[in-house]
Amino acid sequence: DTAVSQTPKYLVTQMGNDKSIKCEQNLGHDTMYWYKQDSKKFLKIMFSYNNKELIINETVPNRFSPKSPDKAHLNLHINSLELGDSAVYFCASSRVPRSPLHFGNGTRLTVT
Amino acid sequence: AQTVTQSQPEMSVQEAETVTLSCTYDTSESDYYLFWYKQPPSRQMILVIRQEAYKQQNATENRFSVNFQKAAKSFSLKISDSQLGDAAMYFCAYWGNTGKLIFGQGTTLQVKP
Repeated sequence: DTAVSQTPKYLVTQMGNDKSIKCEQNLGHDTMYWYKQDSKKFLKIMFSYNNKELIINETVPNRFSPKSPDKAHLNLHINSLELGDSAVYFCASSRVPRSPLHFGNGTRLTVT
Repeated sequence: AQTVTQSQPEMSVQEAETVTLSCTYDTSESDYYLFWYKQPPSRQMILVIRQEAYKQQNATENRFSVNFQKAAKSFSLKISDSQLGDAAMYFCAYWGNTGKLIFGQGTTLQVKP
């Protein structure tokens, strides 16, 4: 039933580790996104994919690599995690550009 | 570059009363969309209302309505008959031609019983 689902919900890991967050949408949308919400609750886009093709890469460090195996999935892999990567990461999708974003429930990443 | 500003970090309202959350934006585009999203403590992002810039009529969704002033680049959200479940962080957002939704800093709304 869930429209946009991301896993895991919580992720606690140590500095230097590599981790992945998975996202799937069953809405049939063509465009998917990753947003980061920092400790001050500010939301900022990281990546956008349209039908498996990267269209926005918002000056995110190379340690972050999105992967879209098909248009229903957009995963986020993070290498060599740093303390500053601690945040809530949201996956989202939209039917067409400028139509409302449907968000997943977020993944709270804590790097210790 | 487009920016969105929410000048009220926190607001409070008595249950059943009306509150207005402010939002201003800066853009040189004429065709764009504006949104209000609600984020309760569960951290889920919920769409509240959407406004197309080319429409002069203000959008309304039940107890939620907007005051869209295109010339002033202002997009405020009015919540009528506030309920305890309205307590949340509210984000104003702008979507122009860049392909990305740009958010304001958010306003935390407290509803007092």
